[in-house]
Amino acid sequence: GDSVTQMEGPVTLSEEAFLTINCTYTATGYPSLFWYVQYPGEGLQLLLKATKADDKGSNKGFEATYRKETTSFHLEKGSVQVSDSAVYFCALSDRDTGRRALTFGSGTRLQVQP
Amino acid sequence: GAGVSQTPSNKVTEKGKYVELRCDPISGHTALYWYRQSLGQGPEFLIYFQGTGAADDSGLPNDRFFAVRPEGSVSTLKIQRTERGDSAVYLCASSLLGAGDNEQFFGPGTRLTVL
Repeated sequence: GDSVTQMEGPVTLSEEAFLTINCTYTATGYPSLFWYVQYPGEGLQLLLKATKADDKGSNKGFEATYRKETTSFHLEKGSVQVSDSAVYFCALSDRDTGRRALTFGSGTRLQVQP
Repeated sequence: GAGVSQTPSNKVTEKGKYVELRCDPISGHTALYWYRQSLGQGPEFLIYFQGTGAADDSGLPNDRFFAVRPEGSVSTLKIQRTERGDSAVYLCASSLLGAGDNEQFFGPGTRLTVL
């Protein structure tokens, strides 16, 4: 079946540091890939997405590139802020199989210190 | 506009009791999903509705779990004979068409605690 593997957290960085959160996936078909973010006390929000190989999703300074050859979708940001502290989830939707549900990784907690 | 709403926000019940969790999706969204999120884990899929029918219920853990969406809008997740292992945050999401790359909008969740 489909699965998503994320690096374990927490990831603790100083403000303005470079961020990478690794995500790799296994899928039967050709999935769409997503990063969701959960800020403290809030619900899940879509951060960015990519639907085909070599697509780059971007939002709020975050980027992730769909790498089919390495089955990866790593999240990056050049300069993190304290307000980026949250839990980040990588997810996929394997539309080729007709499965509409999202398969999530276990999440990575980011803590940014001033 | 209004987002996905879920009620109650918190539910505490005793082992063996029956509970109902409600989800009100974004108006006009035909697809509705239920997920369950245990502490420290990502959400796990339970069931997906396209309109009034359950298009995929493969994530329901056992027959104590059931969900309905009789008019194609509001959905209710029903859990019979609750067990302590059912304690989790139950999330509802909706999307416009239910296509794989269509953004799912999540509600704030219902935190269920089974004592």
